[in-house]
Amino acid sequence: EAGVVQSPRYKIIEKKQPVAFWCNPISGHNTLYWYRQNLGQGPELLIRYENEEAVDDSQLPKDRFSAERLKGVDSTLKIQPAELGDSAVYLCASSLILGSTEAFFGQGTRLTVV
Amino acid sequence: AQSVTQLDSHVSVSEGTPVLLRCNYSSSYSPSLFWYVQHPNKGLQLLLKYTSAATLVKGINGFEAEFKKSETSFHLTKPSAHMSDAAEYFCVVAPGGSYIPTFGRGTSLIVHP
Repeated sequence: EAGVVQSPRYKIIEKKQPVAFWCNPISGHNTLYWYRQNLGQGPELLIRYENEEAVDDSQLPKDRFSAERLKGVDSTLKIQPAELGDSAVYLCASSLILGSTEAFFGQGTRLTVV
Repeated sequence: AQSVTQLDSHVSVSEGTPVLLRCNYSSSYSPSLFWYVQHPNKGLQLLLKYTSAATLVKGINGFEAEFKKSETSFHLTKPSAHMSDAAEYFCVVAPGGSYIPTFGRGTSLIVHP
């Protein structure tokens, strides 16, 4: 069974440019998470989806970040415009249902803003 | 509110010696607790999880952790370290009844030959 797939693995952009990350969760998983992991720190939740509905986005900087999960499957996280401080690893995870005791993580997208 | 404190940013051991990675948590509700491992350039992998069953939890690769409610701790141990154990380890707490995980800052395990 394929795991959570993220692309691209690496992205380098200049500040003020837009960038998008894509996530394909494990088939059948209703819950999808986006996390940001800064260097030397643990991942921090940005947004959580239940099917296509964003049910927890309190940590998402809404002035520049946006996310969508069309049809409740794949998801895209966008930053526009990117800032230097956005450099981090962006992780996507999925779990079968809310309340499931395990989330499966993708390998992440490492973003460098220069 | 919930939080996780990993008490050591780095732990250094010799191969073949015991490993102890410390984690304390706070949670308003009966929590689920997890340990994840992250090897360089790889995704997070679940080592073990506690979800209100047995307090001593056994995971993969010889790791285990003990849930101690009175101490609000969930320390990770392994009797004998292997070079392949060198990685970043994260303690994670989620309040009872939902999986909305909060990660600790991580502990880097260094294993010397």
